[in-house]
Amino acid sequence: QVHLQESGPGLVQASETLSLLCTVSGGSISTTGHHWGWFRQPPGKGLEWIGNVYYNGNTYYNPSLKSQVTISVDTSKNQFSLNLRSVTAADTAVYYCARDLLRKLDSWGPGAQVTVSS
Amino acid sequence: EIVMTQSPATLSVSPGERVTLSCRASQSIGSQLAWYKQKPGQAPRLLIYGASARATGIPARFSGSGSGTAFTLTIGSLQSEDFAVYYCQHYNNWPIMYTFGQGTKLEIK
Repeated sequence: QVHLQESGPGLVQASETLSLLCTVSGGSISTTGHHWGWFRQPPGKGLEWIGNVYYNGNTYYNPSLKSQVTISVDTSKNQFSLNLRSVTAADTAVYYCARDLLRKLDSWGPGAQVTVSS
Repeated sequence: EIVMTQSPATLSVSPGERVTLSCRASQSIGSQLAWYKQKPGQAPRLLIYGASARATGIPARFSGSGSGTAFTLTIGSLQSEDFAVYYCQHYNNWPIMYTFGQGTKLEIK
């Protein structure tokens, strides 16, 4: 069974870049057909998709965040990462990584709280 | 842009009751719909995909139905662990995109 774990700073200064890492264990990030995604949930609000990456480096982003986001993959470390630039208080959220198995988000990390401070 | 709308926002029900949650899409999405359950402080958990297929390990009391623009999630005989927030989600195969509803909170009456 695959496990995902988010890691990174819990506090980011406004206008800086938020960087998170998702480490995958119990399975290969290079498995054909598996995409890997980032999601977020602001306090007391619903879920928002940020973007996906495939093991070959292909990326797919939420159009509303595309100009601000870069997602990349490191197959040698079985990890993928999120960079969110020029953050504001509106980017304060719990950030989740998840496995997309043919559009089924069947495995999720526990989430990482990130607070943007001014 | 497809908008997913869930109703009601909150539902107060008693354990043992049967409940139906609704989700509507702003345009037809076929059966490209999933349901997730989220408890406080936890990640979402996949319940239903393809509008009606139960995910691995999901009890039979959870059932999904619908296609096009109208979908429902029915939970038969509510258990204590079922009180949570439920999200519907549209997924687009190409280009890859996900859109969530705003959630329905199921609370104990």
